[in-house]
Amino acid sequence: EAGVAQSPRYKIIEKRQSVAFWCNPISGHATLYWYQQILGQGPKLLIQFQNNGVVDDSQLPKDRFSAERLKGVDSTLKIQPAKLEDSAVYLCASSLWGRTVAKNIQYFGAGTRLSVL
Amino acid sequence: QKEVEQNSGPLSVPEGAIASLNCTYSDRGSQSFFWYRQYSGKSPELIMFIYSNGDKEDGRFTAQLNKASQYVSLLIRDSQPSDSATYLCAVKAAGNKLTFGGGTRVLVKP
Repeated sequence: EAGVAQSPRYKIIEKRQSVAFWCNPISGHATLYWYQQILGQGPKLLIQFQNNGVVDDSQLPKDRFSAERLKGVDSTLKIQPAKLEDSAVYLCASSLWGRTVAKNIQYFGAGTRLSVL
Repeated sequence: QKEVEQNSGPLSVPEGAIASLNCTYSDRGSQSFFWYRQYSGKSPELIMFIYSNGDKEDGRFTAQLNKASQYVSLLIRDSQPSDSATYLCAVKAAGNKLTFGGGTRVLVKP
């Protein structure tokens, strides 16, 4: 079974530029998550989708970050304009959806490492 | 106050010894608890989860949960150099939102 795919793996941009990340979840997974992981910290949830609807975006800096999940499969996360403090690894995860803990296990992609100069 | 707290380490253990990692959480409504392992430069991978008070064993790993005291721990028996990584504690409340701790770095020395 293929895992969560993300691209690009690395991105270097200058501040005030824009950048976009792409994620393809595990086939059949209804729920998709975007996390930001700053060096030395744990992942922080930015946004959670259930199919193509947003479940939680309370920690998404909406003045500069946006995300969409068209057709309930692939998702893109965009930052515009980028700031120095956005330098981090952006992780995408996906899970099934159900009543048991096992059905809600989140599986992570390899991440995109963003450096903002 | 952080919602999920872990000692950042590094926790240095000799090969073959037991590594003991602790995690405390603040939300009493938390329902299930996860331990992820993250190698440097890699993504988190699930080791195990627990949702009932007590112990849960999976191979060399044992998770322990005490909801009254709001802590969850992970024991790694017979530690191997390949266990050297950062271990992330994650806590799930309603809606399948995971809140992660900052992670504990473990170093297993041969």
